[in-house]
Amino acid sequence: DIQMTQSPSSLSASVGDRVTITCRASQSISSYLNWYQHSPGKAPKLLIYSASSLQSGVPSRFSGSGSGTDFTLTINSLQPEDFATYYCQQSYSTPITFGQGTRLDIK
Amino acid sequence: QVQLVESGGGLVKPGGSLRLSCAASGFTFSDYYMTWIRQAPGKGLEWVSYISSSDTTTYADSVKGRFTISRDNAKNSLYLQMNSLRAEDTAVYYCARGRTVVPNWFDPWGQGTLVTVSS
Repeated sequence: DIQMTQSPSSLSASVGDRVTITCRASQSISSYLNWYQHSPGKAPKLLIYSASSLQSGVPSRFSGSGSGTDFTLTINSLQPEDFATYYCQQSYSTPITFGQGTRLDIK
Repeated sequence: QVQLVESGGGLVKPGGSLRLSCAASGFTFSDYYMTWIRQAPGKGLEWVSYISSSDTTTYADSVKGRFTISRDNAKNSLYLQMNSLRAEDTAVYYCARGRTVVPNWFDPWGQGTLVTVSS
């Protein structure tokens, strides 16, 4: 199975900040990496697919990059609605696996 | 708009069974991979199973042999039959739409249904 490791596990930031979350795969997954946002009581939401493609309707302050084993999700100019938990997910092979999540809190 | 609504969760004793349903609308259901993903209390997301448009199924090792995913394209519905339930199966279960082809990413997701396995 491919292990996905996110860092940090949690971070605190302020509205207007720029934050970066990292996801590392235990083996190369090319660009088969997706990012989701999950707010309490809500359905998880797809933000980025194929490492760097912005899902329709997602604000442009979200961006993704990387290939192979190392990937990043960047959020520019944090908004109040961005404080949530973020997950990476590999779709290179089954079993599909998620990172453990990164909780983004308001400082 | 595309919508997924799960139902069927509840409290069940260890060793018991439960059948989850997911009603889909707003898209051509039969064309898409569909998946179940769960989140145990205080834990992250865990993929459970998916089914292709041609009814090919794949499972996580943790549920293989106990859970069965199925679909009824005439009813635009996805199902998860869960047997021999264990305490560690306690979670919110989400259904989500995949793509028409692999590789899969999942969008949208339903709101989830809570399954509690406890005596």
